Amino acid sequence: EIVMTQSPASLSVSPGERATLSCRASQSVRSNLAWYQHKPGQAPRLLIYDASTRATGIPARFSGSGSGTEFTLTISSLQSEDFALYYCQQYNDWYTFGQGTKLEI
Amino acid sequence: EVQLVQSGGGLVQPGGSLRLSCAASGFTFTNYAMHWVRQAPGKGLEYVSAVSGDGSSPYYANSVKGRFTISRDNSKNTLYLQMGSLRAEDMAVYYCAARYCGGGNCLTAFDIWGQGAMVSVSS
Repeated sequence: EIVMTQSPASLSVSPGERATLSCRASQSVRSNLAWYQHKPGQAPRLLIYDASTRATGIPARFSGSGSGTEFTLTISSLQSEDFALYYCQQYNDWYTFGQGTKLEI
Repeated sequence: EVQLVQSGGGLVQPGGSLRLSCAASGFTFTNYAMHWVRQAPGKGLEYVSAVSGDGSSPYYANSVKGRFTISRDNSKNTLYLQMGSLRAEDMAVYYCAARYCGGGNCLTAFDIWGQGAMVSVSS
């Protein structure tokens, strides 16, 4: 099973600033990597797939990069609605999620 | 409107059984592989199970293999998760999710999600 490790576990950032979240795979997942945003009481929302492609309706301030084993989600100019949990997910070999990064004000 | 509507959560005793349902609408159900993902209290997302568009090729995480059964009824556009021999560690919010896999190629990731169903396991 491919293990996904996210860092940091939590991140405190002020509105308007940039946030950088990391995700590492235990073996190469090529570009088969997605990022999700999850807020309490809501379903997760797909942000990024194929490591760097924004899903439909996702604002341009969300961007993804990386391939192989190292990936990054960047949120430029944080808005109040961006404070949430973020998960990476590999789908190169079935599916596994990282443990999440909590983005806090 | 594209949506997945879940039902069937509830309280069950350890060792008991429960079936979750996930009704799809607004998209061509057979073009989508369907998945179950869960989140235990205070924990992150955990992948549970998958089934292909034609109902073949089920997949299970090791944590539920032999106890859970995934199935779909394409005539009713509905996904199911039959859960048996339930344990305290199965207590979680269960989400169904869909990934486009038409024409044999899977695209994007899990871009349609249900609202979640709480499963509580307690005596």
